[in-house]
Amino acid sequence: GESVGLHLPTLSVQEGDNSIINCAYSNSASDYFIWYKQESGKGPQFIIDIRSNMDKRQGQRVTVLLNKTVKHLSLQIAATQPGDSAVYLCADRAIDNYGQNFVFGPGTRLSVLP
Amino acid sequence: EAQVTQNPRYLITVTGKKLTVTCSQNMNHEYMSWYRQDPGLGLRQIYYSMNVEVTDKGDVPEGYKVSRKEKRNFPLILESPSPNQTSLYFCASSPSWQLSYEQYFGPGTRLTVT
Repeated sequence: GESVGLHLPTLSVQEGDNSIINCAYSNSASDYFIWYKQESGKGPQFIIDIRSNMDKRQGQRVTVLLNKTVKHLSLQIAATQPGDSAVYLCADRAIDNYGQNFVFGPGTRLSVLP
Repeated sequence: EAQVTQNPRYLITVTGKKLTVTCSQNMNHEYMSWYRQDPGLGLRQIYYSMNVEVTDKGDVPEGYKVSRKEKRNFPLILESPSPNQTSLYFCASSPSWQLSYEQYFGPGTRLTVT
């Protein structure tokens, strides 16, 4: 079946270091891939997306890389700060004759150590 | 302030007692959706709506109903709740179905069915 998974459920990094969060997906028909940040007790917050015809996209302190050959997605956070501590969710979107389908991964918890 | 609101935020109910979780957005978004979030399973889409009077099933629609009579509101109805519907529910919206990958989520509704 289709799935979006994660290589690591938890990640701890030192403040100021770079973080890399990985995600695998299985649907080769997905047209967009998305990263969300979810803080405790809150709803997911959109961070960045990447279209399937791109392999890299940069935002403010974040970069998303897409490798369609191995169906792998990653989120890089530069100079990680305490405020980056949260669960990070990857997701993909596919559109077919039946409508839209979103598949979310279970999330990676990022802890930033002082 | 642009936001998605949900009510109630917390609800404990008994099996079989009909309930409605309301969702409202003030951003004039066309696209709205409902998700449930369960440990280890990630977010799963229940229903979505591309515009007023247009709704479609997501991955886990069984036991739920929705309606979209107005652009700003998208209530989730559980006609006969069961314990397996105990979950954390999120409503989300985006400007259009084409931009549905960039969703703005509400704060969540934690539902417990006993």
